[in-house]
Amino acid sequence: EIVLTQSPGTLSLSPGERATLSCRASQSVSSNYLAWCQQKPGQAPRLLIYGASSRATGIPDRFSGSGSGTDFTLTISRLEPEDFAVYYCHQYGSSPPEYTFGQGTKLEIK
Amino acid sequence: QVTLRESGPALVKPTQTLTLTCTFSGFSLSTSGMCVSWIRQPPGKAPEWLALIDWDDDKYYSTSLKTRLTISKDTSKKQVVLTMTNMDPVDTATYYCARSRDGYNSPDYWGQGTLVTVSS
Repeated sequence: EIVLTQSPGTLSLSPGERATLSCRASQSVSSNYLAWCQQKPGQAPRLLIYGASSRATGIPDRFSGSGSGTDFTLTISRLEPEDFAVYYCHQYGSSPPEYTFGQGTKLEIK
Repeated sequence: QVTLRESGPALVKPTQTLTLTCTFSGFSLSTSGMCVSWIRQPPGKAPEWLALIDWDDDKYYSTSLKTRLTISKDTSKKQVVLTMTNMDPVDTATYYCARSRDGYNSPDYWGQGTLVTVSS
């Protein structure tokens, strides 16, 4: 099973600032099958990025993903008030499928 | 418009079997590449994937929970059912169903989730 470790656990920033979130995998993620999801209180997770760097439908271009192999990054270029939430990375490329999630990064308003 | 909705008991007793139903619309689970997963999330913790069923009726389970899980689908009713046996208080969580397309991809649509509490 691939273990995903996210850092930092909590990130305190102000609107307008740039956010950089990290996700490290215990082994290489095949074909960069790494996704990022956003979750707000009381809501289901929402897919932001798949394939390490492709934005899901309707996701603003201030969200971008990068990385390969075992190291991945989610960048939010200029934080909007609605971006403060918990972010999870998750991998889905194993065969047979066995999806795993990171423990999450909480992005909070400074 | 793709929607998914979970239904089932809000409270189960330890050792009981949990049965959850996911009723979906806006897609067909017989379409090549379509999959539905069950994912749970204990309060304050990260999501945990449980099981997946695909368009070809292939089924996959979390290694750590596979002995307790069964996933099935009724394509005509547009439903996916998950059963989990021998429930324990540590299984208290919000249970989500979610759709993936184009194979075993990250889910692109999630239900709103249903909170299941395990307590005597």
